[in-house]
Amino acid sequence: DAGVIQSPRHEVTEMGQEVTLRCKPISGHDYLFWYRQTMMRGLELLIYFNNNVPIDDSGMPEDRFSAKMPNASFSTLKIQPSEPRDSAVYFCASSLGRGHEKLFFGSGTQLSVL
Amino acid sequence: AQRVTQPEKLLSVFKGAPVELKCNYSYSGSPELFWYVQYSRQRLQLLLRHISRESIKGFTADLNKGETSFHLKKPFAQEEDSAMYYCALLTDKLIFGTGTRLQVFP
Repeated sequence: DAGVIQSPRHEVTEMGQEVTLRCKPISGHDYLFWYRQTMMRGLELLIYFNNNVPIDDSGMPEDRFSAKMPNASFSTLKIQPSEPRDSAVYFCASSLGRGHEKLFFGSGTQLSVL
Repeated sequence: AQRVTQPEKLLSVFKGAPVELKCNYSYSGSPELFWYVQYSRQRLQLLLRHISRESIKGFTADLNKGETSFHLKKPFAQEEDSAMYYCALLTDKLIFGTGTRLQVFP
């Protein structure tokens, strides 16, 4: 298994543009998480899904952020419109069962909004 | 409030020196705590969990409920230990601290 796959690895965009980050979880995992990593705030949980259903989106910073999971093998995190303060590394992670503690992380997407 | 605090952003030591990465938590329930590690150019991965009482790569961490701490320790640091370390608390979700970068100099 290739593990959790995220794309793109790097994204550079201009303020105001729409950004879409993609994630393919490990096959068979039923939980999927989106985290944002910054120097100041570390790893922040944005949203997580169980069996494709959003369970907790309280970490989503504002309405500009949205996430979907149309099926068990794919999820997107969208920012529209993007702002410079959104620049960060965005990680997707998946796990099996309620085993939240053993998360398998993707390589992350480095987002730079100019 | 549920919170994980890692007071040090950067910890620098020389090879062979003892290491202690601090982690404090705030949680009203019975805590389940973990340490995750991210080596350079690698994915974030689980290092150890308190319920296992295990030692991984020479690292140990003891849960101290009285001090609400879960510090990560290693008696003799190695250069390959240089990485970003995150302490995490499991509630209904996994809450991470802000992380500590460990630099081990030769």
